[in-house]
Amino acid sequence: QVQLQESGPGLVKPSETLSLTCAVSGGPISGYYWNWIRQPPGKGLEWIAYVYFTGTTNYNPSLKSRVAISVDTSKNQISLKLRSVSAADTAVYYCARGYSASRVFPGFWGQGTPVTVSS
Amino acid sequence: QSALTQPRSVSGSPGQSVTISCTGTSSDASDYNYVSWYQQYPGRAPKLMIYDVTKRPSGVPDRFSGSKSGSSASLTISGLQAEDEADYYCWSYAGTFWVFGGGTKVTVL
Repeated sequence: QVQLQESGPGLVKPSETLSLTCAVSGGPISGYYWNWIRQPPGKGLEWIAYVYFTGTTNYNPSLKSRVAISVDTSKNQISLKLRSVSAADTAVYYCARGYSASRVFPGFWGQGTPVTVSS
Repeated sequence: QSALTQPRSVSGSPGQSVTISCTGTSSDASDYNYVSWYQQYPGRAPKLMIYDVTKRPSGVPDRFSGSKSGSSASLTISGLQAEDEADYYCWSYAGTFWVFGGGTKVTVL
């Protein structure tokens, strides 16, 4: 069973860049879509972006100008960078794999990593 | 920002059925062929309950079912149980990107 483990700084200052990593174990990166999704405190889920194992990406238009997602098959990890963060970016950030090969919709989720943006 | 609208809350007594709607703004009906539904308990990661409108992953009880009509999809929970009290989110393609609905809180009375 694939396992996903997100990691990040926990606390980021406003205007800085947030960097998150998702470590993948128990399954291959190849063949799958990998999503980042976030959830602000007390609010709903927001899809941020996906990356296919080939490097093809797609972004939420509302975040596209500040986000970069990437895949490193040699390290078995997915990365997300979010620039110029503000308090509105405070959320739990989830990494999620597509349910099956070549399908985007999230089927397997990490436990999430909380991020607070504050000075 | 959500292009998918869900009711904020629905409720029902144990044994009853509840239905959650998910209405989209895309004019392309084919976008709604890929609707998925997720269940989320407080403080936990979401869990896939339905995909491709009507399909259930292995292990999901058959009291959960999905359907679609035009630009609206629905999740029905039949024979409501106390453990079904949770938040539910739909997910679908929105033309060029993917989006979650705003979420529905299901309360078991």
